Amino acid sequence: NAGVTQTPKFQVLKTGQSMTLQCAQDMNHNSMYWYRQDPGMGLRLIYYSASEGTTDKGEVPNGYNVSRLNKREFSLRLESAAPSQTSVYFCASSGNQDRGPNYGYTFGSGTRLTVV
Amino acid sequence: AQTVTQSQPEMSVQEAETVTLSCTYDTSESDYYLFWYKQPPSRQMILVIRQEAYKQQNATENRFSVNFQKAAKSFSLKISDSQLGDAAMYFCAYCNNAGNMLTFGGGTRLMVKP
Repeated sequence: NAGVTQTPKFQVLKTGQSMTLQCAQDMNHNSMYWYRQDPGMGLRLIYYSASEGTTDKGEVPNGYNVSRLNKREFSLRLESAAPSQTSVYFCASSGNQDRGPNYGYTFGSGTRLTVV
Repeated sequence: AQTVTQSQPEMSVQEAETVTLSCTYDTSESDYYLFWYKQPPSRQMILVIRQEAYKQQNATENRFSVNFQKAAKSFSLKISDSQLGDAAMYFCAYCNNAGNMLTFGGGTRLMVKP
């Protein structure tokens, strides 16, 4: 099925460990995003990539790095995980030749990350 | 920076009845887009409805409709003939004209009583 695929779905890390969350989309979207969702809150933007080869900080970028590997893939890296990074992480994509990025975002199913 | 506020943390509705979820936002832009997303327990974010700020006509999608009041910066969602499957978290979201910044409200949990 077409959409946004995130891996892994669940992960437990120890404080100080590193990991990379993977995201891929097959809708030929130009823009990709990483959000985090904390309990009882809406999603907050960590980083985005408006097009292949570009990345920009969002609202809460500290402690994260991203890589737009190609048009399809956008990864999020935690270099030294902290308990404050316990959250659900969502990848999203938007915008192709038919519809601009403001038409609406398509989200992956999320990664539940726990840092102990 | 744009902000989105949902003042109702929880709402409940009887099956087959109508419910309205509230949303207000703050922006200095004149062109933008507004969305309602549904998040069921599966965690998946599902786009419910979209509204372009330059359109005066309120968007509708089957049982879902919005009341968009641009001057008041208000964007409420009306769900008619509520169904058990409508139970979920609902998020209001604002998108700038460039489309590179989708900002969410804190969400409203909707419960549907049989």
